[in-house]
Amino acid sequence: DTGVSQDPRHKITKRGQNVTFRCDPISEHNRLYWYRQTLGQGPEFLTYFQNEAQLEKSRLLSDRFSAERPKGSFSTLEIQRTEQGDSAMYLCASSPGWAGGRNTEAFFGQGTRLTVV
Amino acid sequence: AQKVTQAQTEISVVEKEDVTLDCVYETRDTTYYLFWYKQPPSGELVFLIRRNSFDEQNEISGRYSWNFQKSTSSFNFTITASQVVDSAVYFCALSPYGSGNTGKLIFGQGTTLQVKP
Repeated sequence: DTGVSQDPRHKITKRGQNVTFRCDPISEHNRLYWYRQTLGQGPEFLTYFQNEAQLEKSRLLSDRFSAERPKGSFSTLEIQRTEQGDSAMYLCASSPGWAGGRNTEAFFGQGTRLTVV
Repeated sequence: AQKVTQAQTEISVVEKEDVTLDCVYETRDTTYYLFWYKQPPSGELVFLIRRNSFDEQNEISGRYSWNFQKSTSSFNFTITASQVVDSAVYFCALSPYGSGNTGKLIFGQGTTLQVKP
């Protein structure tokens, strides 16, 4: 078990370009989350997958953002036509979900830091 | 509204001092979970503790202790005999049970703890 893995760790892109991030959750974790964290703030929820189904999206996730989790394994987050306001750390987390009669904790990756210039 | 407030933005202590990080939450759900996470400079959020709303027993784990008081909607975190390695950003988070029980987290703004030698 190698933990949640995110790639790339850093990305610098020009405004208007498209970027795609990848997240590999802990194997057999059926829940996967994306969060965005800006400097000096706590992470903000973006979207949630239960296996391959995207079950919740935050209002923060504009039409330029799309996330997928094909086959319920890894996930990708794509941002189209990036803007300077998209500069942030994008965090992925996974969890087993409901176990032992309670919600389990989420395990986080180290994040992808996006800088839009 | 669901909200977590960490009023202390930054705390600085000298090694071996005790320090308490405050967390106040708002939710209309009767069932919910509360968490504390630590974010060291590497960026990865590290899980510290989970509490459900029906369990108000305080918990101690080594130098860490947590005080959950439902009457004041608070879930405070105390580090006893602080060490330099405790320096990090600490986040309190709320996970409402309602709305499909997705396990998503609502984070506070975080408290930066600096422990000086």
